[in-house]
Amino acid sequence: AQTVTQSQPEMSVQEAETVTLSCTYDTSENNYYLFWYKQPPSRQMILVIRQEAYKQQNATENRFSVNFQKAAKSFSLKISDSQLGDTAMYFCAFMKRAVRFGAGTRLTVKP
Amino acid sequence: DAGVIQSPRHEVTEMGQEVTLRCKPISGHDYLFWYRQTMMRGLELLIYFNNNVPIDDSGMPEDRFSAKMPNASFSTLKIQPSEPRDSAVYFCASRGTGVSTDTQYFGPGTRLTVL
Repeated sequence: AQTVTQSQPEMSVQEAETVTLSCTYDTSENNYYLFWYKQPPSRQMILVIRQEAYKQQNATENRFSVNFQKAAKSFSLKISDSQLGDTAMYFCAFMKRAVRFGAGTRLTVKP
Repeated sequence: DAGVIQSPRHEVTEMGQEVTLRCKPISGHDYLFWYRQTMMRGLELLIYFNNNVPIDDSGMPEDRFSAKMPNASFSTLKIQPSEPRDSAVYFCASRGTGVSTDTQYFGPGTRLTVL
């Protein structure tokens, strides 16, 4: 079974600064997908970024980028130029067939 | 596309009552997933379907929970009888298969309160 570990229950960052959220996972699979989802207070699950395990290049989406280390089974999310609207719960997720989530990191962006 | 649609958005019921949650996946998606989110247990996968067939129901907490997918555009999650510990937000999600569609999209969730 796959497990996803987010070791930072809470983090905070000043507006316009950069923050990195950590995630590790455990699997015996070789091909899979990794995601970061954002859940604001509205509770809607919003896809932030997606990484295919077979791709060595790290995914980027505007201010969001990942550092994917397949051998280390690590998948961190970097948010650059943090904005107040980035305040939310962030979930790291692993998918082979179904998406399985970590416990989440609550990120607060301070003005 | 309207995205994944769930109804109702909020449900308040009394212990012992039957509760039915509904989901309409994104058209063309062949996988459908039900999740439950609580403070204590986080986001748990309850069950998922592929082409309307249940594939993995190992996350269903107990026999009081059941899920069906009678066709490609509709699924239900039923709790009978409901208990206060079932109070949670229930998410439905769907995805297609293939490189461009292999991402799971979530509905807005149903907030269930069992008194």
